[in-house]
Amino acid sequence: EPEVTQTPSHQVTQMGQEVILRCVPISNHLYFYWYRQILGQKVEFLVSFYNNEISEKSEIFDDQFSVERPDGSNFTLKIRSTKLEDSAMYFCASMGTGGRNQPQHFGDGTRLSIL
Amino acid sequence: AQSVSQHNHHVILSEAASLELGCNYSYGGTVNLFWYVQYPGQHLQLLLKYFSGDPLVKGIKGFEAEFIKSKFSFNLRKPSVQWSDTAEYFCAIYGGATNKLIFGTGTLLAVQP
Repeated sequence: EPEVTQTPSHQVTQMGQEVILRCVPISNHLYFYWYRQILGQKVEFLVSFYNNEISEKSEIFDDQFSVERPDGSNFTLKIRSTKLEDSAMYFCASMGTGGRNQPQHFGDGTRLSIL
Repeated sequence: AQSVSQHNHHVILSEAASLELGCNYSYGGTVNLFWYVQYPGQHLQLLLKYFSGDPLVKGIKGFEAEFIKSKFSFNLRKPSVQWSDTAEYFCAIYGGATNKLIFGTGTLLAVQP
């Protein structure tokens, strides 16, 4: 079964540094998402992306965050200047066409630790 | 605002016991409901989903869930759990126009052999 893959599995970064989290969605999917889960808390929506632009973003997704699909296969999340509170598990998800009757498929996640 | 609540944060059962995990949601429109499971060290996997039709939904590994519209609930059940069911279980709904998932806080299930 096709999978969503995320790299790296664990990223340790100094506060204030930029970090890029990478995702390769399922190849024929057109909708892409980032979620995060701070330790002990619920999984939270960050951003959705379709047709090469952001379709929705949450309050968490401020100017420090950006997403890109640079080459038609990768889908990246960049945090420009990381803060301690950005430490979390970040999940990428993708969804095929067919409207709301499609489930999202998730990657294994990247654990981001900010020191 | 759309929200999902899961009543049980941590459940411990013995093998062969029956399982029911509660999930309630708040959403004004047509609802799409999901249960995802996350086994230790693995990604979120879809357990089952409800979009329309029969409110009793059967998923993988013997799990089922019942959508009760009047109670805004979508409880997950399994008649006899196994040690391999040890995992975290998340209830979720689609919210908004972009199908973002709104998750509950998750229930950590530990099954003792």
